[in-house]
Amino acid sequence: NAGVTQTPKFQVLKTGQSMTLQCAQDMNHNSMYWYRQDPGMGLRLIYYSASEGTTDKGEVPNGYNVSRLNKREFSLRLESAAPSQTSVYFCASRTGPSTDTQYFGPGTRLTVL
Amino acid sequence: AQKVTQAQTEISVVEKEDVTLDCVYETRDTTYYLFWYKQPPSGELVFLIRRNSFDEQNEISGRYSWNFQKSTSSFNFTITASQVVDSAVYFCALRAPRANSKLTFGKGITLSVRP
Repeated sequence: NAGVTQTPKFQVLKTGQSMTLQCAQDMNHNSMYWYRQDPGMGLRLIYYSASEGTTDKGEVPNGYNVSRLNKREFSLRLESAAPSQTSVYFCASRTGPSTDTQYFGPGTRLTVL
Repeated sequence: AQKVTQAQTEISVVEKEDVTLDCVYETRDTTYYLFWYKQPPSGELVFLIRRNSFDEQNEISGRYSWNFQKSTSSFNFTITASQVVDSAVYFCALRAPRANSKLTFGKGITLSVRP
């Protein structure tokens, strides 16, 4: 049981390049989330998926797209990376309503030059 | 709107001291969940505790204890006899129990425990 996994762990992009961050969970959770963490800002929600086949915007969705490929996988795409997207990205999945807790992946450190 | 305030940004203590991390929240919901997460220097986010708003009983887990006071909208976290391994950033968070409700984080408290 690996929990929430993310790839890659580190990435350096040039301005304008695109990339997809991958996230997978093996806990059979319905809800999945993408956050970004910036110094002094805490974690901010980019997008979330309440269930397979649905996605919704969070606080800071501009410049990102997501795909809920199936129940396990939720990817985050940067179509044209900008230096302002330099951040640490976390994926999370949430348990059902009886325990209602989000568990996080190890994070992806992205630098956009 | 939800808001979580962690007024302390950095705390430094000597090993074996007790330390309390403060968390104050704002919400219009009558039912909600409060959380604490730990982020050690390795960077992962580790879940510590979840508390329901209708359960004001304090909780103790080893050297960790949590004091939830609805009257002051606070959910404070105390580490007793701190250890170097407790050095981390600690986040308090809040969420309403709805499918589309987001987890709102405070900005975190950096705790340094010196040997």
